Amino acid sequence: SAVISQKPSRDICQRGTSLTIQCQVDSQVTMMFWYRQQPGQSLTLIATANQGSEATYESGFVIDKFPISRPNLTFSTLTVSNMSPEDSSIYLCSVPGRVAYEQYFGPGTRLTVT
Amino acid sequence: GEDVEQSLFLSVREGDSSVINCTYTDSSSTYLYWYKQEPGAGLQLLTYIFSNMDMKQDQRLTVLLNKKDKHLSLRIADTQTGDSAIYFCAETRRPSNDYKLSFGAGTTVTVRA
Repeated sequence: SAVISQKPSRDICQRGTSLTIQCQVDSQVTMMFWYRQQPGQSLTLIATANQGSEATYESGFVIDKFPISRPNLTFSTLTVSNMSPEDSSIYLCSVPGRVAYEQYFGPGTRLTVT
Repeated sequence: GEDVEQSLFLSVREGDSSVINCTYTDSSSTYLYWYKQEPGAGLQLLTYIFSNMDMKQDQRLTVLLNKKDKHLSLRIADTQTGDSAIYFCAETRRPSNDYKLSFGAGTTVTVRA
């Protein structure tokens, strides 16, 4: 399985500010995914981050609010911009495993916006 | 999670078997997954099954897939207190290079002594 780390593990932020979340993987992967888990809810895909191209966003998510960088095959960042309390969630990155269709998740970043 | 549905809660006595159920709507689902999320933790991949399989067993875990009814279940034998967690069913669809997952709402399993 892939070893995935995220930074920060948690943060408390004021509304109107931005937070950048980092995701580091121990192996090179073509695709990385960013998910959001709102309190008590399931996971929703925000976007797919491919190295060397623009991220692909799912319906309801836009680049201005959630800009993503993918500078190389082991690293990605997700920024939550101009935060409001509704952005309080767990943000998780995910990557496919070496075995087809296995997908692994990072430990998540727990964000609270006050 | 409209495309994947799960019951929200399950309470089971320690030592008994747990059965968590999931239904999905898209017949083009290729892989179906079970993830475990313990309190304050990320998601752990427990097991997955390809859509052309009926059953998969891995130690205490048994996955059953009924394609006709689009029904997936996870059976945990000899349930332990460490099995208390939220269990998510998820599916991915064709095309074959689409790794995006659609999740159910999660089933909270509580193991009582």
